[in-house]
Amino acid sequence: EAGVAQSPRYKIIEKRQSVAFWCNPISGHATLYWYQQILGQGPKLLIQFQNNGVVDDSQLPKDRFSAERLKGVDSTLKIQPAKLEDSAVYLCASSSRLAGGSYEQYFGPGTRLTVT
Amino acid sequence: QKEVEQNSGPLSVPEGAIASLNCTYSDRGSQSFFWYRQYSGKSPELIMFIYSNGDKEDGRFTAQLNKASQYVSLLIRDSQPSDSATYLCAGTDSSYKLIFGSGTRLLVRP
Repeated sequence: EAGVAQSPRYKIIEKRQSVAFWCNPISGHATLYWYQQILGQGPKLLIQFQNNGVVDDSQLPKDRFSAERLKGVDSTLKIQPAKLEDSAVYLCASSSRLAGGSYEQYFGPGTRLTVT
Repeated sequence: QKEVEQNSGPLSVPEGAIASLNCTYSDRGSQSFFWYRQYSGKSPELIMFIYSNGDKEDGRFTAQLNKASQYVSLLIRDSQPSDSATYLCAGTDSSYKLIFGSGTRLLVRP
């Protein structure tokens, strides 16, 4: 079974520029997540999709971040304009549902973003 | 604010010893808990999940959950240098969103 795919793996941009990340989840996984992981911290959820609908985007800085999952499969996360504090690893995850109602999440390799 | 707390470490143990990693959580509504391993420069990898009080064993790993004390732990038996990594604890909130701790760095000395 193929894992979660992400691209690019690395990106360096200047502040105020824009950037986009792509994610393709594990086949059949309806739920897709975007996380931001700053060095030394745990992943922080930015947005969660169920199929092509948004379940939770409460921690997404909507003035500069946007995400879409138009056909319920792959997804794009965009930052415009980028700030220095956006330097982080952006992780995409997808999940299947466990018997207890919770979700077992699998992560992609991540995109390391450096904003200079 | 719902939080998951972990000691950042590093926790240093000799090869062959038992490593004990601990995690506390603030949300009494949390139902399920997950342990992820993250090697430097890599993404988190799911090791185990637990949602019932007590112990759950999988190979060299044992997860323990005590909901009354709001405490989760991960034991690694016969620790190997390849186990050296950061271990992330995560709990679900009422909407099954994962709340991660900041991780504990484990060093296994040969």
